[in-house]
Amino acid sequence: GAGVSQTPSNKVTEKGKYVELRCDPISGHTALYWYRQSLGQGPEFLIYFQGTGAADDSGLPNDRFFAVRPEGSVSTLKIQRTERGDSAVYLCASSPLQGRELFFGEGSRLTVL
Amino acid sequence: GESVGLHLPTLSVQEGDNSIINCAYSNSASDYFIWYKQESGKGPQFIIDIRSNMDKRQGQRVTVLLNKTVKHLSLQIAATQPGDSAVYFCAESSFNDYKLSFGAGTTVTVRA
Repeated sequence: GAGVSQTPSNKVTEKGKYVELRCDPISGHTALYWYRQSLGQGPEFLIYFQGTGAADDSGLPNDRFFAVRPEGSVSTLKIQRTERGDSAVYLCASSPLQGRELFFGEGSRLTVL
Repeated sequence: GESVGLHLPTLSVQEGDNSIINCAYSNSASDYFIWYKQESGKGPQFIIDIRSNMDKRQGQRVTVLLNKTVKHLSLQIAATQPGDSAVYFCAESSFNDYKLSFGAGTTVTVRA
């Protein structure tokens, strides 16, 4: 597709469950970012990939959060033992090599009951 | 036109007036700044960007001004339209740290 694609668009889960959120970046974009946005707030950085490797994971809140990008394209954000405080919109963005502008997807809204 | 002081969370604008949205940043090492527009239920959408070697940049109906002395960024929207109603975020990054850091956002509501 032409833009960043994120699935699912909505996910409702129960406290303690495991969740995976998927991001398909713009074709050819080498950099991929995950952000988290709580209601009424700006996006908060979680992790950044350049190619297959995580270049900066300093924004991951704790070890329940993990992300992979095994082939340098699609990325999956994994959240173990979900907590109610994990409820938010998880945004994925990509950018081309040497690019500074991030192109965002529509986000995955996670609700933990 | 209407202007906002140093970051107010909401701005109400009459259709056809000019809008000014302000943003303060704290990192003096930031060299790239960008404004995003986010409509309800959607991801942030690029509006305009500016590098630190510039003071002003113009796009279609939008102008970004950068004052590095006081670490202040503003977005001016000319002839505000109903479709401009959204939350506007400023974001910054530095040359050796490409991740964007976002501000709190300003909700703009356009009155008919």
